[in-house]
Amino acid sequence: DIQMTQSPSSLSASVGDRVTITCRASQGIGSYLNWYQQRPGKAPKLLMYAVSTLQGGVPSRFSGSGSGTDFTLTISSLQPEDFATYYCQQSYSVPWTFGQGTKVEI
Amino acid sequence: QVQLQESGPGLVKPSQTLSLTCTVSGGSTSSGNYYRSWIRQPAGKGLEWIGRIYTSGTTDYNPSLKSRVTISLDTSKNQFSLRLNSVTAADTAVYYCAIGGGPGFGYWGQGTLVTVSS
Repeated sequence: DIQMTQSPSSLSASVGDRVTITCRASQGIGSYLNWYQQRPGKAPKLLMYAVSTLQGGVPSRFSGSGSGTDFTLTISSLQPEDFATYYCQQSYSVPWTFGQGTKVEI
Repeated sequence: QVQLQESGPGLVKPSQTLSLTCTVSGGSTSSGNYYRSWIRQPAGKGLEWIGRIYTSGTTDYNPSLKSRVTISLDTSKNQFSLRLNSVTAADTAVYYCAIGGGPGFGYWGQGTLVTVSS
């Protein structure tokens, strides 16, 4: 199985801050890296796929980069609705696996 | 707009079988070729992919659950189902159905809590 490791596990930030979350795969996954946002009590929502392609309707303050084993999700200016938990996920090979999550808190 | 809805018992006894169904509606669900997956999330924890079924009926399962899992498809009803045998308390989680593949899971159900308890 490909292990996905996110850092940090949690972070505190303020509205307007630039936030970066990293995700590392235990082996190369090319560009098969997706990011999700999950608010409490809700299903995850796909933010970005193939490293940097925004899902429809996702604000442009979200961006992604990386390749191979190291990836980042950046929120350029944190908004109140962005306080949530973020997960990376590899779709390179089954079993598809997720990172452990990064909780973005005030 | 594609919508997914999980259904099934919210309480299952230990050693018994957990059975859930996901009903897909809207969009081009009747003719689309895509992966349908089950994913679960224990309270306060991360996401675990359980397995998937393609439109052709081909399945793949997480090795950690493979001996206990069956995913099936009923295209006539636009439904796919999960069966998990010999459940224990460790199987207590919110179970999600989702659609997607390489480009991620673009559609999710709202999730259903299944508690394993006697």
